[in-house]
Amino acid sequence: EDKVVQSPLSLVVHEGDTVTLNCSYEVTNFRSLLWYKQEKKAPTFLFMLTSSGIEKKSGRLSSILDKKELSSILNITATQTGDSAIYLCAVGGGAQKLVFGQGTRLTINP
Amino acid sequence: DSGVTQTPKHLITATGQRVTLRCSPRSGDLSVYWYQQSLDQGLQFLIQYYNGEERAKGNILERFSAQQFPDLHSELNLSSLELGDSALYFCASSGEGFQPQHFGDGTRLSIL
Repeated sequence: EDKVVQSPLSLVVHEGDTVTLNCSYEVTNFRSLLWYKQEKKAPTFLFMLTSSGIEKKSGRLSSILDKKELSSILNITATQTGDSAIYLCAVGGGAQKLVFGQGTRLTINP
Repeated sequence: DSGVTQTPKHLITATGQRVTLRCSPRSGDLSVYWYQQSLDQGLQFLIQYYNGEERAKGNILERFSAQQFPDLHSELNLSSLELGDSALYFCASSGEGFQPQHFGDGTRLSIL
């Protein structure tokens, strides 16, 4: 059965800190790994990583895919209170359905 | 704004009833996906439609069904509702090829 595990489940840091969120997966026919940010409503797309694009960066956020270790990390530098959210990792396998991890609840204190 | 529209935003009903959730995908997206998010289960894939045809099925209950219409909007029908069906139901859409899925704001379903 396809499985995605995120760690830690919860993280509290101070504004300005750097955080690293982890995601590991066991999926048949791996095609891509996606990161989403979920605040109050819809998960908002951040990055998609594939075999041909294992590293992505956007502003203070960056992500790397390690296909050998079947894992990915999401880094956020110089955190701000607006980064407080649940970060979801999802893996796309066959038929494009996404298998989601439990999420990491990130709280940034001022 | 993801461009995916879901209605209604909130739905309160009683056990045994039937409800219909509606989703309009982003302009040009042919694929529509339905997910259920509950506190203890996280986001769970229910079903995918591509251009009107069912493409993939997850752990969708037999009491639940969906369809995608010629204008590409989709509906998720939930019947014989139980207390455990209370959850957030998300619709997502994606473009051709393996593109990221973009999510609507969800419908919060509460069963009393």
